[in-house]
Amino acid sequence: IAGITQAPTSQILAAGRRMTLRCTQDMRHNAMYWYRQDLGLGLRLIHYSNTAGTTGKGEVPDGYSVSRANTDDFPLTLASAVPSQTSVYFCASSDSSGATDTQYFGPGTRLTVL
Amino acid sequence: GQNIDQPTEMTATEGAIVQINCTYQTSGFNGLFWYQQHAGEAPTFLSYNVLDGLEEKGRFSSFLSRSKGYSYLLLKELQMKDSASYLCAVRDSNYQLIWGAGTKLIIKP
Repeated sequence: IAGITQAPTSQILAAGRRMTLRCTQDMRHNAMYWYRQDLGLGLRLIHYSNTAGTTGKGEVPDGYSVSRANTDDFPLTLASAVPSQTSVYFCASSDSSGATDTQYFGPGTRLTVL
Repeated sequence: GQNIDQPTEMTATEGAIVQINCTYQTSGFNGLFWYQQHAGEAPTFLSYNVLDGLEEKGRFSSFLSRSKGYSYLLLKELQMKDSASYLCAVRDSNYQLIWGAGTKLIIKP
């Protein structure tokens, strides 16, 4: 593993189903983030985690949950998917002790909810 | 509310210079980032400004004026591979990144 990986790459999901998007990083970054990206809009923060064991809500958290059991993994769960959750989801991580706290992104998961 | 404004789309010619502007209104300021995003790919980090002035990195430069809430990304000697979206993001007082919608840059031969 080099950097951040996300799985699956893409998924088509029936409304009402439960889905977990996986994110793993091997850079030992303390902070991790989940964003969604929709056409015409900037990236919007869903949830974040400043360190293992802690999580926080971003701009658009409703319908999503996260956990951070260890440094490397930060899964995002949709408890009961709705069509408005159709989007591209990006996971990112950063070293918040660094000078710039730059965020580095995974390749994304394209999710379609029908 | 918080707001980041960038042009939706720009067109430039291979070999030329292009300037992509970004204006922001945020609650607090703790740095401004530029990212490049090719279609279907993840954003990749280009530059970071926290003090006023110009930061140069090869063909790319980024400028910041905190008093004006303004930044620009300057791309020189444009290449076809520079065709991408360019995202401006500001870190606010809560240390969260606020993102612009991005500027799609089209390079013509």
